[in-house]
Amino acid sequence: EAGVTQFPSHSVIEKGQTVTLRCDPISGHDNLYWYRRVMGKEIKFLLHFVKESKQDESGMPNNRFLAERTGGTYSTLKVQPAELEDSGVYFCASSPAGYYNEQFFGPGTRLTVL
Amino acid sequence: DQQVKQNSPSLSVQEGRISILNCDYTNSMFDYFLWYKKYPAEGPTFLISISSIKDKNEDGRFTVFLNKSAKHLSLHIVPSQPGDSAVYFCAASVGNTGNQFYFGTGTSLTVIP
Repeated sequence: EAGVTQFPSHSVIEKGQTVTLRCDPISGHDNLYWYRRVMGKEIKFLLHFVKESKQDESGMPNNRFLAERTGGTYSTLKVQPAELEDSGVYFCASSPAGYYNEQFFGPGTRLTVL
Repeated sequence: DQQVKQNSPSLSVQEGRISILNCDYTNSMFDYFLWYKKYPAEGPTFLISISSIKDKNEDGRFTVFLNKSAKHLSLHIVPSQPGDSAVYFCAASVGNTGNQFYFGTGTSLTVIP
């Protein structure tokens, strides 16, 4: 069974540009989560989808971040316009319906904003 | 404000000895705790978990202890192996509600052969 995949693995952009990160969860997993780790700090929750619906987006830093999960399959996280403090590693995780404490993480996307 | 804290950024242990990683939390509503292990350039992978109704959970070389009154948990690895060298994250959640994990900042474990 394929794990959670994320694309790209690395992205380097300039301040003010737009970047879109993609996450493909494990097939059949209804729950999809986005987390972010700023260098040396804790992994912080951004938001949680159940199928295509946003269940909890309390961790989204501001309105420059937009997450979507069309059709309840893959998800995208768009940062527009990117700022320096958005740099970090963005992790996606997924879990089966009803099994919220069994989150499987992807390898992450390392975003560097210059 | 950080609700899960790992105060030791790094730990070095000789191969074959015990590794003890510590984690403290502040939110008394947390009732499920997990340890994740992370290698460079990979995502965190689940290692072991414990529910607040227990004080110990063991899985092979890995044991997690929970002290609810002290709001403290620890991960013991016995015996430590070089392949255990990784960053270990403590995480907590509130019930099986579908909500977020709260993570610590991680402890980098180095097992010296």
